Formats: sequence, structure tokens, C-alpha cells
Amino acid sequence: EAGVAQSPRYKIIEKRQSVAFWCNPISGHATLYWYQQILGQGPKLLIQFQNNGVVDDSQLPKDRFSAERLKGVDSTLKIQPAKLEDSAVYLCASSLVRGSGGAHEQFFGPGTRLTVL
Amino acid sequence: GESVGLHLPTLSVQEGDNSIINCAYSNSASDYFIWYKQESGKGPQFIIDIRSNMDKRQGQRVTVLLNKTVKHLSLQIAATQPGDSAVYFCAEKKVRDFGNEKLTFGTGTRLTIIP
Repeated sequence: EAGVAQSPRYKIIEKRQSVAFWCNPISGHATLYWYQQILGQGPKLLIQFQNNGVVDDSQLPKDRFSAERLKGVDSTLKIQPAKLEDSAVYLCASSLVRGSGGAHEQFFGPGTRLTVL
Repeated sequence: GESVGLHLPTLSVQEGDNSIINCAYSNSASDYFIWYKQESGKGPQFIIDIRSNMDKRQGQRVTVLLNKTVKHLSLQIAATQPGDSAVYFCAEKKVRDFGNEKLTFGTGTRLTIIP
């Protein structure tokens, strides 16, 4: 089974520039997550989609970050304009929608390492 | 507010020995507690989870213990191998409506296996 795909793997930009990350979840996974992982810290949820609808974007800095999942499959996360503190690894994860019981595992992609200079 | 923290940022263990990684949490409303392993350049990988109404769960070479009285979670890895070297995160999961789940991660412990 193919895992979560992300691109690019690395990106270096200057502050105030824009950047976009792409994620392709595991086939059939309805739920998609974007996380920000700052060096030395655990991942922090930015936004969660179920199909093409937003479930939780309470921790997304909406003045500069945006995300979409137009057809309920692939997703893009954009930062415009970038700040120095946005330097981090951006992780995408996907999971099945939970059924009648049990927890569904989130599968993570390899992440995109963003460096803002 | 919610928080999940770890007691030690680094841990070194001799190959073949057992390792124990600890985690403290503060949110008693979590539904599950999960351990993830993250190797360099990769995303977190699920190791094992435990439902909040359980005390112990065993997997292959791993055991998770949950002490709700003191809000403490631990991951025991038996007979450690070089491939166990990684950063380990504990996370709490809250199950919300319609199958939506929210993970809150701790800071992580770096485990180094000494050959």
C-alpha cells in the first residue's frame, strides 16, 4: 500500500515570499491533516479536513496560512507571506473515518522541511 | 489546557537492554494515548496505543502502561536494537463527532541505542 506522499521534500525561501506544499493521502482515506513540527518539538495540528470540508482550523494562522482540499483527495497548504518563525517541517497525515468503534491510526508522510531566511 | 509532556529529552540504552520512556499528561478527557516513533527525515510512525480505560497493552517488544491516578504513560521497549534509535513522542487523542480525532503531541524523547 502506498503511503502519504508529500512534495517538495525541502524548500528554502526568503521571508515575505510565498510557498506551497502538496499532499496526496493514502487512497480511500477521508480525513487529512496538516501539522507543523518545529525543530525539537512535537507536531502541532494546523488544519483537519474530512473529505473536502474543514473540520478544525483553530490553530491555523489564517492571516498567512491557507489550505484546500478541493476534490476530497489531494491537498495544498500555502504560506503567504512567510516569516522566519515558519521554518519547520510540515507534515501531512491521513486516516480512515472512524467506524462504530476503535481508533483509526493516522499515517504520516515524510514531511516538507521549510527554511525561511 | 491540554498538554502532554515528557520527563527526559534524551535516553541512551545499551543494545539488548530494555528501555522505558515516560510521559506525563494533564488532560483526563483523552480517549486514547499513543506512542509514535520518528526517525530522522521521516514522519511519525504509529507504535502502539492504549484506550483510556485500560492500564496496560502489549505489542511486539513494546508495552504501554497507563496510570490514570498520576496521569503517567510509559513505553517499554524490550531487547532494544539499533533500529530503535529514534525520537519517541507520546500523544493524546480525543475522539470527536463523526469520526474526527484530534492528536496532541508532546515534545519527544530521543532514544539512542549504544552498540
